[in-house]
Amino acid sequence: AQKVTQAQTEISVVEKEDVTLDCVYETRDTTYYLFWYKQPPSGELVFLIRRNSFDEQNEISGRYSWNFQKSTSSFNFTITASQVVDSAVYFCALEQGGSEKLVFGKGTKLTVNP
Amino acid sequence: TGVTQSPTHLIKTRGQQVTLSCSPISGHRSVSWYQQTPGQGLQFLFEYFSETQRNKGNFPGRFSGRQFSNSRSEMNVSTLELGDSALYLCASSSTDHTDTQYFGPGTRLTVL
Repeated sequence: AQKVTQAQTEISVVEKEDVTLDCVYETRDTTYYLFWYKQPPSGELVFLIRRNSFDEQNEISGRYSWNFQKSTSSFNFTITASQVVDSAVYFCALEQGGSEKLVFGKGTKLTVNP
Repeated sequence: TGVTQSPTHLIKTRGQQVTLSCSPISGHRSVSWYQQTPGQGLQFLFEYFSETQRNKGNFPGRFSGRQFSNSRSEMNVSTLELGDSALYLCASSSTDHTDTQYFGPGTRLTVL
């Protein structure tokens, strides 16, 4: 069975601090996709990043970066120089290749204080 | 335009039924539905592609859906229970299985 664990329930930081959100996943599939979504108070899930199981290259996109390590089944997400507008619930999700079914973690509520 | 859902909010009483609507991003042919509750989090309901259900989550038969030829989708919940109160999110993706799912704003259903 597939499972996503986000151990951090809530994180509170001060603006301009860097913050890393942890995600650990379980799957027996060799082809899968990992995602991070953001859910602001409005409720809509906003897509942030996506990675497939064959590409462990870590990248930076603006203030966002991610660290994908298959050896530890982790897909951590970092926000650099956090801003108040980054306050939201962040979800890590796993999709078995071709299934169109996302398995979500419980989410991490991030609060960025001015 | 992005994924749109209607209505935004809905209040029903136990035993009633409800129909929610979702219009995908133009050109997207896959529509998925998710239920979000404080206790269970985000859970996959089902996915439709070309008017056919391709994948189904672990929900009772009271939850059903359909997709029309223009890719718009509806989901129906019959004999509503208090526990069906949730945010129902719809997502769409292109024909490619490797594509990303993009979500709509959701419909918040309250069952009294």
